[in-house]
Amino acid sequence: AQKVTQAQTEISVVEKEDVTLDCVYETRDTTYYLFWYKQPPSGELVFLIRRNSFDEQNEISGRYSWNFQKSTSSFNFTITASQVVDSAVYFCALRTNYGGSQGNLIFGKGTKLSVKP
Amino acid sequence: EAGVAQSPRYKIIEKRQSVAFWCNPISGHATLYWYQQILGQGPKLLIQFQNNGVVDDSQLPKDRFSAERLKGVDSTLKIQPAKLEDSAVYLCASSLGGREHYEQYFGPGTRLTVT
Repeated sequence: AQKVTQAQTEISVVEKEDVTLDCVYETRDTTYYLFWYKQPPSGELVFLIRRNSFDEQNEISGRYSWNFQKSTSSFNFTITASQVVDSAVYFCALRTNYGGSQGNLIFGKGTKLSVKP
Repeated sequence: EAGVAQSPRYKIIEKRQSVAFWCNPISGHATLYWYQQILGQGPKLLIQFQNNGVVDDSQLPKDRFSAERLKGVDSTLKIQPAKLEDSAVYLCASSLGGREHYEQYFGPGTRLTVT
């Protein structure tokens, strides 16, 4: 079965705090891609990052960083020095070609992040 | 570069009525997706088109939902007749192709309320 679990439903932090959003995935495929999307109140899903299953190198982009660990099937997302504009729902997603799924995205239920001033 | 366009942004209808949503993908993107996002959940794929052909519609409730992508560009998604449980945001996305490493770019969505 293919599944993405985001155990944290809601997180609330104060501005400038660091926050980590957890993502655990399940797949039988050896080749797969993991994504993070941001969904602000406007509703549009904004692509943040893509990571393929053969690249476990962590990535940093400004205040954002991602930790991919195949051993624990996790792809966690950390925001450093959070800002009010980071308030949104964040989705982790998995994409494989397992079972002829044609590379469709499988989303977790999302984590709602609220950053208070 | 223009993003994925969707209309209308909001729609309120009564149950058993019909509704249609429109999507215009990013120019040059061969693959188009329709997702349903129920409040509090992640998006769920309804149908995927590659050019004007259907690649995957396994999760589309075909007794009431239909979709088409004439000429391989714009697409419409129709619900007839609508049920209360169809209340959701309908998201359209497009990508260069159907391969798993291509990013999908999403439109703003259409929020449907069925009363």
